[in-house]
Amino acid sequence: DIQMTQSPSSLSASVGDRVTITCRASQSISRNLNWYQQKPGKAPKFLIYDASSLQSGVPSRFSGSGSGTDFTLTISSLQPEDFATYYCHQSYMAPQTFGQGTKVDVK
Amino acid sequence: EVQLVQSGAEVKKPGESLRISCKGSGYSFTSYWITWVRQMPGKGLEWMGRIDPSDSYTKYGPSFQGHVTISADKSINTAYLQWSSLTASDSAMYYCARPTRGGDSGMDVWGQGTTVIVSS
Repeated sequence: DIQMTQSPSSLSASVGDRVTITCRASQSISRNLNWYQQKPGKAPKFLIYDASSLQSGVPSRFSGSGSGTDFTLTISSLQPEDFATYYCHQSYMAPQTFGQGTKVDVK
Repeated sequence: EVQLVQSGAEVKKPGESLRISCKGSGYSFTSYWITWVRQMPGKGLEWMGRIDPSDSYTKYGPSFQGHVTISADKSINTAYLQWSSLTASDSAMYYCARPTRGGDSGMDVWGQGTTVIVSS
């Protein structure tokens, strides 16, 4: 199975900060990497697919990059509604796997 | 509107059986796989498995193979997740989700989640 490792596990940031979360796959997954945002008590929200394509309706401050084994989610200017947990997810092959999550909270 | 609507919360005893459901609407149900995702309290997302509703072909994650059964009834646009004998460790939130493309891809539509509590 492909292991997905996110870092950091948590981070503290302020509104307006640039935030970067990384995700590393245990083997190449091409660009079959997705990102989700989850708030407490809610279902995950789909943010980015194919490593860098923004899902419709997602603000442009979110961006993704990478290919192969190393990927990045960037929030260019953190907004109050962005405090949440973020997950990467590989859809390259079954069984699909998620990263362990990165919690972004208020500094 | 494309949506997945899941069945309500369940409280069960260890050893009991359970089936929860996920009903799709607003799209061609047989054109997209349905995936089930587990989230244990305070923990991350875990891919349990997925089903192709057109032919009921399933694939399970290794931690879930043999412990749950995923099925679908395409005549009523509904997928199911089933346990034959629950244990306390099955207590979790369970989500169904639909990939943005038909097969292996990111999941853009999610159900609201079903809470399962297993307690004696």
